[in-house]
Amino acid sequence: QSVLTQPPSASGTPGQRVTISCSGSSANIGSNYVYWYRQLPGTAPKLLIYRNNQRPSGVPARFSGSKSGTSASLAISGLRSEDEADYYCAAWDDSLRGPVFGGGTQLTVL
Amino acid sequence: QVQLQQWGAGLLKPSETLSLTCAVYGESFSAYYWSWIRQPPGKGLEWIGEINHSGSTNYNPSLTSRVTTSVDTSRNQFSLNLSSVTAADTGVYYCARSRGPGAVDFDYWGQGTLVTVSS
Repeated sequence: QSVLTQPPSASGTPGQRVTISCSGSSANIGSNYVYWYRQLPGTAPKLLIYRNNQRPSGVPARFSGSKSGTSASLAISGLRSEDEADYYCAAWDDSLRGPVFGGGTQLTVL
Repeated sequence: QVQLQQWGAGLLKPSETLSLTCAVYGESFSAYYWSWIRQPPGKGLEWIGEINHSGSTNYNPSLTSRVTTSVDTSRNQFSLNLSSVTAADTGVYYCARSRGPGAVDFDYWGQGTLVTVSS
C-alpha cells in the first residue's frame, strides 16, 4: 500500500491531453514539493517534474505539473505513442522523514 | 556526464545479507546525497535510505533495523547492506542521486540490480 494514491491506469489517443492525479496528506504533498517520474519497461525511472511544476533540461513542455492542497496532477498534452510508460508521483514525508512514492499509473496510448 | 554503476549478488537465500555497491562517475560526490530505492516485481518504488559523503544517513523507518549503508569517498562509491532477507525483499534495487533530506529529485540513477530471494 503506497503512501501516495494514484490511479492504476490511464489512457488517451495520440494528440490528446491526459492528466494523472496523485493524492496524499498534509505530511507529504500538503507541506512539501511534488515530483514526477516516468519509467519505461526494464529501465530506471527518469525525473520528469520537480518542485511541483519545474521541468529538468530536456523534458518537453508537453509535460506539466500542478499541486493544490494535498493533491497533485501531471498533465501530458499532445500525447504520443512513446509516452506509454509508468508514471510515479513522489514527495517528502515529514512523518516518515523520507521520500514516499505513489503506486504508479500505467499510461496507454490507444 | 554523471553515471552511476551498481553491482552485487543477484540471488540470495532467506536470512542472508543483501550487499550492493554503487560507483559514481563524473560529478562532485560530496555535493549530493546518495540513495537506494527498490521496486518489487510489478509494483511501485520504495525508498530504502540515503547517505552523504561524510557518512550521514537517513533510513526508511520500516527497514531501519535491517539496513546499513556506507561510503568510500576515495573511490566515490557507496554501499547497501540489508540483513535477514526474505522473499519480500525480492525486486530491482537502484542507486540514485538527490540533493538530500527534503528533496526527492533523483536525477541520476544506476542501471538497477535484480535481487531474488529464494531457497
